[in-house]
Amino acid sequence: NAGVTQTPKFQVLKTGQSMTLQCAQDMNHNSMYWYRQDPGMGLRLIYYSASEGTTDKGEVPNGYNVSRLNKREFSLRLESAAPSQTSVYFCASSEGGHGTANYGYTFGSGTRLTVV
Amino acid sequence: AQSVTQLGSHVSVSEGALVLLRCNYSSSVPPYLFWYVQYPNQGLQLLLKYTSAATLVKGINGFEAEFKKSETSFHLTKPSAHMSDAAEYFCAVSVQGAQKLVFGQGTRLTINP
Repeated sequence: NAGVTQTPKFQVLKTGQSMTLQCAQDMNHNSMYWYRQDPGMGLRLIYYSASEGTTDKGEVPNGYNVSRLNKREFSLRLESAAPSQTSVYFCASSEGGHGTANYGYTFGSGTRLTVV
Repeated sequence: AQSVTQLGSHVSVSEGALVLLRCNYSSSVPPYLFWYVQYPNQGLQLLLKYTSAATLVKGINGFEAEFKKSETSFHLTKPSAHMSDAAEYFCAVSVQGAQKLVFGQGTRLTINP
């Protein structure tokens, strides 16, 4: 049982380049989330998807776009990377019905992104 | 809206000593509460969760937490710290129908030999 799989694990981008972070879960969870983690800032929600076909902004959505491709996959795209987007990105999923988070999250292992 | 406050961004204890990590929540309705652990260069793992059953919740690796409604607290404890407990710990809150968790800022636990 793989849980939540994120690819790639590491990435270095030049300013202005674009890339897509991939996330897939095999637990049939309804909700999926993208967070970024920065020193001293805790976890900040970028976007989330309460169900297939829906997406919503979190606390820090600027500079990002997302796609809920199907129930399993939720991707995060940086259209024009900036040094301020250097961070560790985590994808998570939740089994709660109707998009709720009552059961907590299962996290992926993260993508460490550096923008130079 | 719910919120979580973790008291102390850094906690240091000696090996074998009691571990106490503090979490206070704010919620106008009954909460669901969670503790996650993050080891260096890894993702977050669920330690334990409170979902309105027993107020004393036991988790993995010898950790437990007690829900105290009167104090709006959900502190994490372990009787005897091991070196392997060194990690960052996050408290989180949700409520019935909420679509996402609200996380605290995290507490970094250091274990001294």
